[in-house]
Amino acid sequence: DQQVKQNSPSLSVQEGRISILNCDYTNSMFDYFLWYKKYPAEGPTFLISISSIKDKNEDGRFTVFLNKSAKHLSLHIVPSQPGDSAVYFCAASASEGGSEKLVFGKGTKLTVNP
Amino acid sequence: NAGVTQTPKFRILKIGQSMTLQCTQDMNHNYMYWYRQDPGMGLKLIYYSVGAGITDKGEVPNGYNVSRSTTEDFPLRLELAAPSQTSVYFCASSYLRATGELFFGEGSRLTVL
Repeated sequence: DQQVKQNSPSLSVQEGRISILNCDYTNSMFDYFLWYKKYPAEGPTFLISISSIKDKNEDGRFTVFLNKSAKHLSLHIVPSQPGDSAVYFCAASASEGGSEKLVFGKGTKLTVNP
Repeated sequence: NAGVTQTPKFRILKIGQSMTLQCTQDMNHNYMYWYRQDPGMGLKLIYYSVGAGITDKGEVPNGYNVSRSTTEDFPLRLELAAPSQTSVYFCASSYLRATGELFFGEGSRLTVL
């Protein structure tokens, strides 16, 4: 049972346009969400996060939106740059119950074309 | 500024062999994790540790063992390697618990033939 789902394995956008990466979750106990970015042959690196008490968090070109009722979050990249081409992982955790675990989605490969 | 260091980066094992993946972090983080990533899949948690001397199983612990004798080191032991353990392994650490930012190593690509 996949608790964090990224239903689009890949996404291709033009440089300068908006990239929207989507993520759905099933566990209503999740209250903290993160996005990680991964280049080939490197480890994932943290990009941006959001707590369930917020519905939006912005950091430069990156904005994460959270819709708790729909159990859906999205990552917006504006404007997209070729250097943004990478695999993006959505991850979630639940603070109750002392869980120390992040649950990751399968990732979406973003390609930004010059 | 090393962060999380994993060795080796690549390894080929024969079925039934054993090996240890090394992981060291220099950020004085209490929390450390081992994940595996299979092709087209997300990261699956193998084992984690909340501090020296304390370890616990993650989602896919079978076939692996860990120890945490120091804050810095968190080795992952593969006993009796099987083809199903062919994967890329990532070690990570964090200052806070899982709700904090994880710092990942570059990964170790293991092939079992």
